[in-house]
Amino acid sequence: AQKVTQAQTEISVVEKEDVTLDCVYETRDTTYYLFWYKQPPSGELVFLIRRNSFDEQNEISGRYSWNFQKSTSSFNFTITASQVVDSAVYFCALSEARRGNEKLTFGTGTRLTIIP
Amino acid sequence: GAGVSQSPSNKVTEKGKDVELRCDPISGHTALYWYRQSLGQGLEFLIYFQGNSAPDKSGLPSDRFSAERTGGSVSTLTIQRTQQEDSAVYLCASSLGGGPQFFGPGTRLTVL
Repeated sequence: AQKVTQAQTEISVVEKEDVTLDCVYETRDTTYYLFWYKQPPSGELVFLIRRNSFDEQNEISGRYSWNFQKSTSSFNFTITASQVVDSAVYFCALSEARRGNEKLTFGTGTRLTIIP
Repeated sequence: GAGVSQSPSNKVTEKGKDVELRCDPISGHTALYWYRQSLGQGLEFLIYFQGNSAPDKSGLPSDRFSAERTGGSVSTLTIQRTQQEDSAVYLCASSLGGGPQFFGPGTRLTVL
């Protein structure tokens, strides 16, 4: 069975601070995908990133960066120089990597509040 | 449209009534998923479609829940004899050939 744990329920930081959201996963699959989604107050889930289990290179996209460490089963997400628009609930998710059914197993989410 | 659309955006119904929720996936996306988001259960998978067939219905919570997809496009999720515990946001997502899933805005269902 797959499981995703986001231990941080809520985080508040002052604008321009850096913040890291933690994600730890469990799976017996040898190939899998890891995801981060953002859910702003409007409610729609916004796709941020997908990583394949074979690719442990860290990724940077603007102020966002992701650190994937297979050895610790973690896929952490860092926002640099946070902005008020980053306030949202962030979900980490996991799926098998195969053509066809890639249903997502989600963590419970981390509510991030950026204080102006 | 460019993204996944869902209707209605909000639905209030009385306990025992049937409801239908609709999802229009991104054009050309062959895979379609339904999820449910509730305070108690978080985000949980309901059903997966590939084309018009549903090879994975394992997340449907009871036989009161059913879904179909026609023409490889629009999908309808039906809940019969609604119960208060069915109150949640129902989310639809679509993907193209193993790509990431893109979500619609959801339907907020309230069962009185």
